[in-house]
Amino acid sequence: NAGVTQTPKFQVLKTGQSMTLQCAQDMNHNSMYWYRQDPGMGLRLIYYSASEGTTDKGEVPNGYNVSRLNKREFSLRLESAAPSQTSVYFCASSAYFGDQPQHFGDGTRLSIL
Amino acid sequence: QKEVEQNSGPLSVPEGAIASLNCTYSDRGSQSFFWYRQYSGKSPELIMFIYSNGDKEDGRFTAQLNKASQYVSLLIRDSQPSDSATYLCAVHSNTGNQFYFGTGTSLTVIP
Repeated sequence: NAGVTQTPKFQVLKTGQSMTLQCAQDMNHNSMYWYRQDPGMGLRLIYYSASEGTTDKGEVPNGYNVSRLNKREFSLRLESAAPSQTSVYFCASSAYFGDQPQHFGDGTRLSIL
Repeated sequence: QKEVEQNSGPLSVPEGAIASLNCTYSDRGSQSFFWYRQYSGKSPELIMFIYSNGDKEDGRFTAQLNKASQYVSLLIRDSQPSDSATYLCAVHSNTGNQFYFGTGTSLTVIP
């Protein structure tokens, strides 16, 4: 009964380092999402994949790249981490894009020094 | 202007009272609206979603949507201390096909 699984749960990086956040879902959902959550800013969409083989930019895509590896997995990559990317990152999935509720993973707490 | 606006609170209600949480959105073409609950340090969890004007009830929760006023609300009846959390309003905006979340309203239910 895993739902959406994110790894790692915590990570500390130095400025300029790269990192990939992993996300996998076992609900056979078509759509997957990456959000960041900052105090006072709420959840903001970084990238989404409406279906396997497609990816699109969200509200705050700069500094990130994504890969929809297969229907289950959607990864988020920081190529050159910056302190402004310190945040809590959530992956989510939904059956279809748009009018379906999203199910969230437990989040990755990322600090960049 | 933010796409989705919520009062940040905190909102305090006594146990057993009705808690009323409000949300406004800017894209008149939005069609799908969601309420999530988030406990401190945890991930958001879905409470309700609503697509049509009017009320939708699920147990102690009622979502209300008024597209003409671009307003969606969540009522929690018989509030319990376990309802103390931050409530997030989310909207699927057809403009640019994006999802927007409000910053959340913090609710405290006082025993």
